[in-house]
Amino acid sequence: GAGVSQSPSNKVTEKGKDVELRCDPISGHTALYWYRQRLGQGLEFLIYFQGNSAPDKSGLPSDRFSAERTGESVSTLTIQRTQQEDSAVYLCASSFFADTDTQYFGPGTRLTVL
Amino acid sequence: GESVGLHLPTLSVQEGDNSIINCAYSNSASDYFIWYKQESGKGPQFIIDIRSNMDKRQGQRVTVLLNKTVKHLSLQIAATQPGDSAVYFCAEKSRYNAGNMLTFGGGTRLMVKP
Repeated sequence: GAGVSQSPSNKVTEKGKDVELRCDPISGHTALYWYRQRLGQGLEFLIYFQGNSAPDKSGLPSDRFSAERTGESVSTLTIQRTQQEDSAVYLCASSFFADTDTQYFGPGTRLTVL
Repeated sequence: GESVGLHLPTLSVQEGDNSIINCAYSNSASDYFIWYKQESGKGPQFIIDIRSNMDKRQGQRVTVLLNKTVKHLSLQIAATQPGDSAVYFCAEKSRYNAGNMLTFGGGTRLMVKP
């Protein structure tokens, strides 16, 4: 596809379970970002990958959150032992290069923790 | 999908009128600014950007104005159409942010009345 894709589009889980969210960036984009968007709020930065460099994890809210990226392709965001406050839309974005290059967003995964 | 920003500030305009959406930022080191449009159930869509060495930039029906003195950014939409109805976010990047992480504002909902 031409754009950033994310799966699943919706995920409902029970408190305490682990979830994995997937992002497929635009082909050729070296930078990939994860953001979280709570209802009624703006986007919060979570983590950023640039090529093969070590990711910037400065936005991850707790050690229950982790993310991986294989080369310059797919990324997975994992939330362990989910809590109700993790309920949000998780958005992935990619850009060709990291420095002031436009970020293109996927449609997001809406996570609901019961 | 679920609406984003049920409790956001709302700007209601008549179709055909001009719209002005405002954003304040606090980081004097911010040197790059972007406006995104987000429709319900979708990821943010890039509209227009501006660097700090400019005070105005125009696109198709949109103009972004930057006032660095008072740290204020605005998005002007000419001849607003029903398809412009969405939540609009400003985002900024600091020159000290390696990696292009964006800091997002809280968003404004634009409602266009036919």
